[in-house]
Amino acid sequence: DAKTTQPPSMDCAEGRAANLPCNHSTISGNEYVYWYRQIHSQGPQYIIHGLKNNETNEMASLIITEDRKSSTLILPHATLRDTAVYYCIVRGVFMNSGYSTLTFGKGTMLLVSP
Amino acid sequence: GAVVSQHPSWVICKSGTSVKIECRSLDFQATTMFWYRQFPKQSLMLMATSNEGSKATYEQGVEKDKFLINHASLTLSTLTVTSAHPEDSSFYICSARFETSGAPSTDTQYFGPGTRLTVL
Repeated sequence: DAKTTQPPSMDCAEGRAANLPCNHSTISGNEYVYWYRQIHSQGPQYIIHGLKNNETNEMASLIITEDRKSSTLILPHATLRDTAVYYCIVRGVFMNSGYSTLTFGKGTMLLVSP
Repeated sequence: GAVVSQHPSWVICKSGTSVKIECRSLDFQATTMFWYRQFPKQSLMLMATSNEGSKATYEQGVEKDKFLINHASLTLSTLTVTSAHPEDSSFYICSARFETSGAPSTDTQYFGPGTRLTVL
């Protein structure tokens, strides 16, 4: 699976949009971009994933560049409870009954302040 | 939907004893579950992949005789830390693979809340 690069930390004011970048310049055509977050002392929480189109769900939006070499996770109105480590992970699509595992990097520590 | 539970949420045990941790997918069936370990201020490290009805696959450096995994049903996997020692103290997290339909098919891992193990 392709390697990802994320800033180690970011700050965001409560109520503002949090834009978390991720570089994955070696991503291949059959690899998805997944985002998880981990609040302190809890298990990771799935946020969103995408292949090449932008995706949106009740938690966040995922913007993937046209060349797929980078993406941005957007939390539209950050709250204090969004303070967490955010992980951007690239992994392959599985065919038939195969699958690939998740490899967690160091992620981005997002601190949302009042 | 896609809820994964773990039990216990924390456990303290004496050195040399064995501890069993349960991981359950509550609202979906999971043929594959995963076990991770996380030390303080570090990221999650995959320990093993648990497949229902077959032997687990362990990552390099993880002792299969020390970390026993049993995936007896489509909703339950257990991790037993045998003869635990203080260096086994860690945050153990499981995940279950939820397979989506469609083409291309893909899947998502949903994680449990974790189990904090402290070995005295």
